[in-house]
Amino acid sequence: AAGVIQSPRHLIKEKRETATLKCYPIPRHDTVYWYQQGPGQDPQFLISFYEKMQSDKGSIPDRFSAQQFSDYHSELNMSSLELGDSALYFCASSWGLGSYNEQFFGPGTRLTVL
Amino acid sequence: TQLLEQSPQFLSIQEGENLTVYCNSSSVFSSLQWYRQEPGEGPVLLVTVVTGGEVKKLKRLTFQFGDARKDSSLHITAAQPGDTGLYLCAGAMSGGSNYKLTFGKGTLLTVNP
Repeated sequence: AAGVIQSPRHLIKEKRETATLKCYPIPRHDTVYWYQQGPGQDPQFLISFYEKMQSDKGSIPDRFSAQQFSDYHSELNMSSLELGDSALYFCASSWGLGSYNEQFFGPGTRLTVL
Repeated sequence: TQLLEQSPQFLSIQEGENLTVYCNSSSVFSSLQWYRQEPGEGPVLLVTVVTGGEVKKLKRLTFQFGDARKDSSLHITAAQPGDTGLYLCAGAMSGGSNYKLTFGKGTLLTVNP
């Protein structure tokens, strides 16, 4: 079965640079969630989109922005990168928006900021 | 403050032993999901429980949702080395637009042959 696809899998950036992470949800899934997982930490919710509209917002820095496109893929744009942004970034997708809807996670993008 | 408390944080057992991982909260959840995560990989969904008192079985894994939907447990029977990994519970809150998942800190399980 098709899973959530994330690209790139690994990304190395310098401080103050920008980065764009991409997420392709499971086919027919219309909801995308972004999570950040620091070393030894549990995943923390950043932002979510349902039918191309932002549905919920968590602890996402103002330096970050995201959107969902007409084909339901999503991109997380990160600017003025800081050392503390180094983490695993996961995208998850679900069919529909609701607390009962199961979220399936992608393999993640490991971002390293030097 | 951690909304979901998982215990134990670390667990090292011998092959064939049984174990239980707990996930507790003072908040009510609409649903609770259990994931297993390998280092550097994304969490893999094991099960979703939505009804208070619900019990779900997945081979040697048994998942239970508390009657008040505030807590959950994962029981593994006759653990095998292949069960080694990080087990995460994650809950979706009741009401509002809280569709995000709130995760516990995880239980790192090591099953020794």
